[in-house]
Amino acid sequence: QKEVEQNSGPLSVPEGAIASLNCTYSDRVSQSFFWYRQYSGKSPELIMSIYSNGDKEDGRFTAQLNKASQYVSLLIRDSQPSDSATYLCAVNNAGNMLTFGGGTRLMVKP
Amino acid sequence: DAGVIQSPRHEVTEMGQEVTLRCKPISGHNSLFWYRQTMMRGLELLIYFNNNVPIDDSGMPEDRFSAKMPNASFSTLKIQPSEPRDSAVYFCASSSDALSYGYTFGSGTRLTVV
Repeated sequence: QKEVEQNSGPLSVPEGAIASLNCTYSDRVSQSFFWYRQYSGKSPELIMSIYSNGDKEDGRFTAQLNKASQYVSLLIRDSQPSDSATYLCAVNNAGNMLTFGGGTRLMVKP
Repeated sequence: DAGVIQSPRHEVTEMGQEVTLRCKPISGHNSLFWYRQTMMRGLELLIYFNNNVPIDDSGMPEDRFSAKMPNASFSTLKIQPSEPRDSAVYFCASSSDALSYGYTFGSGTRLTVV
């Protein structure tokens, strides 16, 4: 079974710090990787995608991919209380389907 | 585009009643997914349609659950009869190319079965 694993948290960081969220996946042929943010009571919202090894930056967010280690991470710089949410890692394995991790709850404390 | 539209937003029903959840995908998206989310189990894929055809329904819990997609702009998820353990948030998502763009989720339907 193809799996995507995340630490459920909560991950607590002080405001202004860097939050590091991690995800591992089991299927070596995975091609694309996504991070979704889900606020309490809301639906998941796509915030980052990454396809190639290395880093991809978008504002305060950086996604990192290491296919050899089957590892993808999301860094949030200058964390704000408004970043407090659950972050879901999703991996495309084949065709038009994503496999989601269980999510990591992030708490940014003022 | 209005995004993926789900209705109703909230549904409270009594055990044994039939429940129908509705979804309108984004125009031009040819794949539609129904998910269920609970605190205990996270996001669970129930069923996946491609070009209105069910491709993978292995996540449908049991025969009480059924889903249809009669056309490219409408899908339903029906639970009959409903049970308290069906209480969850049900999300519909659509995609044109998940490999490149991932999914877009609707706002969800919060179902409570009492």
